[in-house]
Amino acid sequence: AQSVAQPEDQVNVAEGNPLTVKCTYSVSGNPYLFWYVQYPNRGLQFLLKYITGDNLVKGSYGFEAEFNKSQTSFHLKKPSALVSDSALYFCAVRGRGSTLGRLYFGRGTQLTVWP
Amino acid sequence: GAVVSQHPSWVICKSGTSVKIECRSLDFQATTMFWYRQFPKQSLMLMATSNEGSKATYEQGVEKDKFLINHASLTLSTLTVTSAHPEDSSFYICSAQSTSGGRGETQYFGPGTRLLVL
Repeated sequence: AQSVAQPEDQVNVAEGNPLTVKCTYSVSGNPYLFWYVQYPNRGLQFLLKYITGDNLVKGSYGFEAEFNKSQTSFHLKKPSALVSDSALYFCAVRGRGSTLGRLYFGRGTQLTVWP
Repeated sequence: GAVVSQHPSWVICKSGTSVKIECRSLDFQATTMFWYRQFPKQSLMLMATSNEGSKATYEQGVEKDKFLINHASLTLSTLTVTSAHPEDSSFYICSAQSTSGGRGETQYFGPGTRLLVL
């Protein structure tokens, strides 16, 4: 079975400080991993993905994530948080053998960046 | 690039009426589209997966006769909520996936449709 865990419902960080939003996954075989961001009353915006290659993936708006196979983690990071980064963040996983391309989402982490 | 639109962005309807929501991929061809439902402060719940030209695959517990999905072309999928009731009120989000080029394997999401059934 495929699943994603985002252990923190809420992450609070001061503007200018580094931020980390945690994600661990469970999937058979090698995964495709994704991060999305959702602003209020909006759909999800794609931030970045890991498919293969370099474990450190860089994405939109200065975000990056590191794939750690041994820890089955894909934590989202940013060196310096902005107030405008405040939003709901979703981690998602898809198994490579999935013919339908279904994504399994975590429950989301609300990031609040304080000025 | 990779823009997905949804129409309408919000709709209010009377109980018993049907509502159609459109999902379009604007700058790529979507071989697969997905429909999700999201409740306040919760994650996305996959309702169904549709491939162009074939019947949609519904998730367990989703009534296919109530939530009709049509994926008529590589850029358009529609979700029709038939005989809507207040419990159908929710935020509906579609996504589209292309298997070609650098966008492969990534789902791109529409902005969502807020449905309120009175």
